[in-house]
Amino acid sequence: QQQVKQSPQSLIVQKGGISIINCAYENTAFDYFPWYQQFPGKGPALLIAIRPDVSEKKEGRFTISFNKSAKQFSLHIMDSQPGDSATYFCAASGNAGNMLTFGGGTRLMVKP
Amino acid sequence: KAGVTQTPRYLIKTRGQQVTLSCSPISGHRSVSWYQQTPGQGLQFLFEYFSETQRNKGNFPGRFSGRQFSNSRSEMNVSTLELGDSALYLCASSSETGAGGYTFGSGTRLTVV
Repeated sequence: QQQVKQSPQSLIVQKGGISIINCAYENTAFDYFPWYQQFPGKGPALLIAIRPDVSEKKEGRFTISFNKSAKQFSLHIMDSQPGDSATYFCAASGNAGNMLTFGGGTRLMVKP
Repeated sequence: KAGVTQTPRYLIKTRGQQVTLSCSPISGHRSVSWYQQTPGQGLQFLFEYFSETQRNKGNFPGRFSGRQFSNSRSEMNVSTLELGDSALYLCASSSETGAGGYTFGSGTRLTVV
């Protein structure tokens, strides 16, 4: 019930391309869905987040698409850059408090 | 504005020992959570404190404990260390009482030998 499944585990994209990472959840009590970016040696940094009352949220080159009926959400990185090379984690939390359930992570490599 | 500060950054301990990790949240943040990150299990929630009270606890054995002080600083303790406790321990703070909006520290890398 608490799982968040993330795919793919790794992704290689050419510079300028679109990176797409998908997540699926089971617990319908989840009401907050953030994406985190983590560089080696650093903690995860909040990238963008969405609540289930909207189907899409865009911030710069990053877009979250949310499908409540399918219990899926995805991160799109437009015009991917080598500096975007990092590990990305989706997460979810609900009214149980400030407990984030993370997906397994996607290691993104953007080739110049 | 200073970020979340975790000390120490690196730690090497021997099996059976205990360890205490420290976290100073962003000024004004009253909620502090701890997570364990390993290659095999990913990011897993340990516990969350708000105003010195533990509000949530993850599925970890009782060897893992924590506390929060009146200034919101938090510590976590692991007793009787096992090799499997080797991990990156992350602290995150938030100014909200609800979900989300967390800022993570850079973590403490614990190695148990």
